[in-house]
Amino acid sequence: GAVVSQHPSRVICKSGTSVKIECRSLDFQATTMFWYRQFPKQSLMLMATSNEGSKATYEQGVEKDKFLINHASLTLSTLTVTSAHPEDSSFYICSARDLRTHEQYFGPGTRLTVT
Amino acid sequence: SQQGEEDPQALSIQEGENATMNCSYKTSINNLQWYRQNSGRGLVHLILIRSNEREKHSGRLRVTLDTSKKSSSLLITASRAADTASYFCATDGSGNTGKLIFGQGTTLQVKP
Repeated sequence: GAVVSQHPSRVICKSGTSVKIECRSLDFQATTMFWYRQFPKQSLMLMATSNEGSKATYEQGVEKDKFLINHASLTLSTLTVTSAHPEDSSFYICSARDLRTHEQYFGPGTRLTVT
Repeated sequence: SQQGEEDPQALSIQEGENATMNCSYKTSINNLQWYRQNSGRGLVHLILIRSNEREKHSGRLRVTLDTSKKSSSLLITASRAADTASYFCATDGSGNTGKLIFGQGTTLQVKP
């Protein structure tokens, strides 16, 4: 089946620094990718829709200047958490929508811990 | 935005028993999907049911969809300890945007 990878799988950073998370579709092309956040013992919340070649669309309440999304190619979207704070510590999961089939595939997630 | 609700929030059963989880949603949908998530891990896609379908089976899984009540259920038959996980429903709203709205999830514990 189709594979989506995320890198890194885990990252620990200091408060005030920025962290970049990559989401790659390995064997298909995706014009649309989605970024979700999941706090412990909670469900996934959609943060933004990443569109190849254009600006991301953010959900209500998500700060676009804090969570920078770049979808530079048909196989890669990046999420940069800028000036991270401990409350940004969470599990970040991406999904990628196959350009041809519209099937959606999830990445394995990235655990971010801000100290 | 719509946010599905699932019940029960937590379910504990013995191996071999059946587990039923319910999901309700608020707006029109194209399809509804069920996912499993083991603790601290990514999502595993279980089954997708389209809005014009009422029931779907996959192995030990049975999913029903009632669009008039805006609800779905996931039944796992003959449960195993390995089924212990959190289960989420997710709806893909009308408009074919691909955006998924997840329910709150049910944490299932299957005791050996």
